[in-house]
Formats: sequence, C-alpha cells, structure tokens
Amino acid sequence: SQQGEEDPQALSIQEGENATMNCSYKTSINNLQWYRQNSGRGLVHLILIRSNEREKHSGRLRVTLDTSKKSSSLLITASRAADTASYFCATLYGGSQGNLIFGKGTKLSVKP
Amino acid sequence: NAGVTQTPKFQVLKTGQSMTLQCAQDMNHNSMYWYRQDPGMGLRLIYYSASEGTTDKGEVPNGYNVSRLNKREFSLRLESAAPSQTSVYFCASSETGSVYGYTFGSGTRLTVV
Repeated sequence: SQQGEEDPQALSIQEGENATMNCSYKTSINNLQWYRQNSGRGLVHLILIRSNEREKHSGRLRVTLDTSKKSSSLLITASRAADTASYFCATLYGGSQGNLIFGKGTKLSVKP
Repeated sequence: NAGVTQTPKFQVLKTGQSMTLQCAQDMNHNSMYWYRQDPGMGLRLIYYSASEGTTDKGEVPNGYNVSRLNKREFSLRLESAAPSQTSVYFCASSETGSVYGYTFGSGTRLTVV
C-alpha cells in the first residue's frame, strides 16, 4: 500500500506559470524525496528533504515539509514545456526497511 | 555513461514462459531494487537487496525470484509468466539508507499474452 498520496492527480498549466503539487503521507518519516518521470522513461531523483528540515530549494524547485500535517509540497516556478512529466513523492520511514515507498504521482502538463 | 542499465527494453511472453530481466549498475551502490509500475498504481516494490549476498521480499513478490549475482548485478526472474505480470519493470540502486536518492534504469516493458 502506498505511503504517500499526491494531489492533484493531474495538473495543466501554461508556460511561465508556477506548478504546485502536494504529497500526504501516513507515518513518521526519515526523509521525503521527489522524482520526475518523463513519458516512457525511468524516474529521476529531484530533491530530498529530511524530517528535521522545513524547506529546501534546488534551482526552480522548492520543497516544503510539514511533519505535523504529514504533508509536503513541490513548487516548480516559471514552468517550461520541458517540465511536462509525472512527479512522484517517495518516503523513507522506519517500517519500510530502508526502502522508499512511492505515491501514485501527479501528471503535469505545461502548455507552450 | 554511469548509471543503471536494464535489458531487455521490451519483451512479449506467452503465458507460462519464463524469462530473466537483467540489471547492472556501475556506481558501486550497495542496495538494489526491482519495482513494477502499473497504470494508476504508482511503483510497487517487488524485491530488494540491501547489500551483496542478501535479498528480501517487497510488497508484491509473488511470481518472482531474484538473484544478486555480485555487487553490480541484480536480476529478476519470472518462472511462469502470467498476464497479471504485464507491466513496466524498473531496477534502481542506491547508497545504503537511501540518503541520496535512487538511480533508476530506463525500464523493461513486459507484455504477457
């Protein structure tokens, strides 16, 4: 069963707009990671945030973590058509035996 | 290029046939994983190997076996393929503890007819 659930399932925006995706999870975590998957390709690691961190930036990506609400958000600023992909959150927690548990993903479409 | 290499990229099997999916990584990672991805289901862990010489079941191990041949290679075997095993299979590797994230292969698209 999935530990994380992304919201929304699908998101369509115009180039230049910001895209926000959310992830909720069920149990206390060690870290939370975000991945991108382009159509027909493998997943690519984007960013990792530890349970004692609240916010992290990497280029146009901003991730927040609220452990009290068991939720995280991924913000992509000034989106580009090349950002069109599915985005997955993945959690590492004590009961997962050192393995990442993935959510079902958000499908982002950025229209030029 | 450094990374995770999976073979084959595509495969069609008849029900009852067997096959082995190959995976190799050249990043000297200790841990390796096999996931399957189905529409609307996200990624589900089949088997993993925390280190060379060890393997453990994940969420959906039934119908599969694995071999950690050495530190580089981790293979997934379907002994008697079933239509329910039609899926995209991903191999991944990581440093122990997943602190740095996983590196994924490009996947094997398997169809069982």
